[in-house]
Amino acid sequence: GAVVSQHPSRVICKSGTSVKIECRSLDFQATTMFWYRQFPKQSLMLMATSNEGSKATYEQGVEKDKFLINHASLTLSTLTVTSAHPEDSSFYICSASGGADQETQYFGPGTRLLVL
Amino acid sequence: AQKVTQAQTEISVVEKEDVTLDCVYETRDTTYYLFWYKQPPSGELVFLIRRNSFDEQNEISGRYSWNFQKSTSSFNFTITASQVVDSAVYFCALSERRNTGKLIFGQGTTLQVKP
Repeated sequence: GAVVSQHPSRVICKSGTSVKIECRSLDFQATTMFWYRQFPKQSLMLMATSNEGSKATYEQGVEKDKFLINHASLTLSTLTVTSAHPEDSSFYICSASGGADQETQYFGPGTRLLVL
Repeated sequence: AQKVTQAQTEISVVEKEDVTLDCVYETRDTTYYLFWYKQPPSGELVFLIRRNSFDEQNEISGRYSWNFQKSTSSFNFTITASQVVDSAVYFCALSERRNTGKLIFGQGTTLQVKP
């Protein structure tokens, strides 16, 4: 099956710093990547959709200057949380679709961010 | 508007019992896809199945089976002879063709299988 990796798996940072999370499709070319945020005991909330080589499309209410998304290649997308604050602490999950199965999103293992 | 409803917030069963997780969806599209994902305590979402709107055939994969009924807009998931390893949060999701593949998730059902 399609494999998506995410790095780092956990990160603790001080308030005001920026954190970069990488999402890679390991065995297929991901034409589209998605970034989600999940709070404890809640469902996934889509933050943005990114297509390789173009600007990300952000969901309503998601600050694009706060959550910078780059999809520079068909196997890599990055999410940078700029000037992180404690309220940004959450579980961030990426997914990718592409290759032979365009309709299914395959998810990475997620990144737990804790901002002190 | 698109919507996915998983009315069961939490289910607890004893090992070897059968359990059905309900999923009801709403969409205006005639072409759409339905999914089930499993999220174990580790956090990663594991893809279980995808069904397109034109294929109402039920599917069985080992102890897992899915019942898709367009007449009732439901896509239910049954685990037969449940095991402790089945304990997880299960999400049902909907994707519309015209919506660039975005997934609309249900709220999830937490399944606890006790030994």
